[in-house]
Amino acid sequence: QKEVEQDPGPLSVPEGAIVSLNCTYSNSAFQYFMWYRQYSRKGPELLMYTYSSGNKEDGRFTAQVDKSSKYISLFIRDSQPSDSATYLCAMIGGYSGAGSYQLTFGKGTKLSVIP
Amino acid sequence: GAGVSQTPSNKVTEKGKYVELRCDPISGHTALYWYRQSLGQGPEFLIYFQGTGAADDSGLPNDRFFAVRPEGSVSTLKIQRTERGDSAVYLCATARLAGGNEQFFGPGTRLTVL
Repeated sequence: QKEVEQDPGPLSVPEGAIVSLNCTYSNSAFQYFMWYRQYSRKGPELLMYTYSSGNKEDGRFTAQVDKSSKYISLFIRDSQPSDSATYLCAMIGGYSGAGSYQLTFGKGTKLSVIP
Repeated sequence: GAGVSQTPSNKVTEKGKYVELRCDPISGHTALYWYRQSLGQGPEFLIYFQGTGAADDSGLPNDRFFAVRPEGSVSTLKIQRTERGDSAVYLCATARLAGGNEQFFGPGTRLTVL
């Protein structure tokens, strides 16, 4: 079992729909949670970054973290065709001896928003 | 520059050859990471630099892979005796501080080993 599980999709929704993307994880040392958006043939772009359990909102995007269930979500309201991309969840564990704060990613979910 | 840049954007090489991939970080970012992304997968950590030193190289798959950052800015990932399984997108990310959790990625170098 991988440390971070994410359904790769693909997920196809009509324009204006609410999109829900999710990841589960097994390592309770993970403390920081991110969502990245990756367009085809581009590098990942940081969308949301959260530390504690709860919700964080930024425009049309809401990130949710439930540490007790080891479950994180990203909601996109009023989805637009320009939101079509692969969404990657990523996590950082607690301080390690090397202190690298490396990201552990899910596989990514490919989202298409149909006009 | 405004963001992380990586060169070349594409590299095609033959099995057994040596390749170098370059990363130019955001100015002032002290932490630098290399990741590898295979088709249909999320990026996987390779190596982390804090300043000039490789503070964590636990993700390098074997001793054919090596990376340097001699002046604490530009980094080069070097792959010896390339194999077809090395084909992937190699991503560089930088963060402002050691332990900086907001990592900013470059566009990647797409390596194809024939």
